[in-house]
Amino acid sequence: AQSVTQPDIHITVSEGASLELRCNYSYGATPYLFWYVQSPGQGLQLLLKYFSGDTLVQGIKGFEAEFKRSQSSFNLRKPSVHWSDAAEYFCAVVLANAGGTSYGKLTFGQGTILTVHP
Amino acid sequence: DAGVTQSPTHLIKTRGQHVTLRCSPISGHKSVSWYQQVLGQGPQFIFQYYEKEERGRGNFPDRFSARQFPNYSSELNVNALLLGDSALYLCASSYWQGNQPQHFGDGTRLSIL
Repeated sequence: AQSVTQPDIHITVSEGASLELRCNYSYGATPYLFWYVQSPGQGLQLLLKYFSGDTLVQGIKGFEAEFKRSQSSFNLRKPSVHWSDAAEYFCAVVLANAGGTSYGKLTFGQGTILTVHP
Repeated sequence: DAGVTQSPTHLIKTRGQHVTLRCSPISGHKSVSWYQQVLGQGPQFIFQYYEKEERGRGNFPDRFSARQFPNYSSELNVNALLLGDSALYLCASSYWQGNQPQHFGDGTRLSIL
């Protein structure tokens, strides 16, 4: 069965410190990969996406993620965290399908709550 | 441009009632998907619609149904509400083809008493 695992439920970092959030997936083929961020009581905002090509992708708000096929991972990174980055982060995958029929069926991880200390 | 809009933002119902949630996609997006997010968990896929047809269904009971209208807006209906249906219901829209991601609305918070 397809699954997405975010091993860290809660991460605390100091403002200005670097950040890495982990994501592993289990799929029969290479999926499309996404990171979303959710602030309390709000919907999901897309941070970045990977479809193909360069395995290091840049997103909004200074985030980047690296796709490693050999490790089935898509970890999110930021070199210097800001207090406004405190939120919950979700990794999501969808099975690549040339016909586009799978694009709506995102499978999400459990989420990682990020707390930022001043 | 307006993003994905959902209504209402909050809703309180009692067990056994039914509820209708509404979603308007981003202009130009023809696919709408619905997700249920229970507190403390990631969103779970419920339905995907395109051109008024159901294109995907997640592992949810028949109490859940949806439809899409000619203007691509969508409704999610839930009958015979249970306490476990309390959740944030998220709507997402996207282009049907091509490498385009989904964009989410702020959701409808449904509380069942």
